[in-house]
Amino acid sequence: DGGITQSPKYLFRKEGQNVTLSCEQNLNHDAMYWYRQDPGQGLRLIYYSQIVNDFQKGDIAEGYSVSREKKESFPLTVTSAQKNPTAFYLCASRDRGNFEQYFGPGTRLTVT
Amino acid sequence: AQKITQTQPGMFVQEKEAVTLDCTYDTSDPSYGLFWYKQPSSGEMIFLIYQGSYDQQNATEGRYSLNFQKARKSANLVISASQLGDSAMYFCAMGRNNNDMRFGAGTRLTVKP
Repeated sequence: DGGITQSPKYLFRKEGQNVTLSCEQNLNHDAMYWYRQDPGQGLRLIYYSQIVNDFQKGDIAEGYSVSREKKESFPLTVTSAQKNPTAFYLCASRDRGNFEQYFGPGTRLTVT
Repeated sequence: AQKITQTQPGMFVQEKEAVTLDCTYDTSDPSYGLFWYKQPSSGEMIFLIYQGSYDQQNATEGRYSLNFQKARKSANLVISASQLGDSAMYFCAMGRNNNDMRFGAGTRLTVKP
């Protein structure tokens, strides 16, 4: 089955620690995205990547970092510089030439 | 800058009735796509329907239809014959050729039995 996987579903960390969220897709999509969602709110774009070894900042990139070494993978690191990291994180991918984005199941990160 | 506006934070509808969720957008790009996603309490984003900016006819997918009024820059979602399982958050979104997609703040729909 083709799709996007994110792991883990729930993640707990202590304040001051970096944490990496996984996103893998086997849809052969070129573009991948990371969004953050806070309770009762819409999605905000953190980073996106259109091709391997290239990525661009979204609206709220501060305190986050990404890499795109393989087409299938787009991990997101939440660094200790992110002031309010507790949120729901969604990864998505998109095929070239189409507008639609396909979403993974999300990772709920709690930092205490 | 492009912007998506959903003015209804919450909506209620009686089971088996129809409901319209509002969405307006702002862009100067001639080519764009409009989407509606459903997000149940589990958090996953479920694609419902798509409308291209050049499409002449309104999109329909089963019980979902998109009322596209280009001149007014609105893309309202109509759900017919509401079911209890339709209770969820609904997000309107717009995608453009630059790979960017913007989302509205969402509308929480509650279907009453």
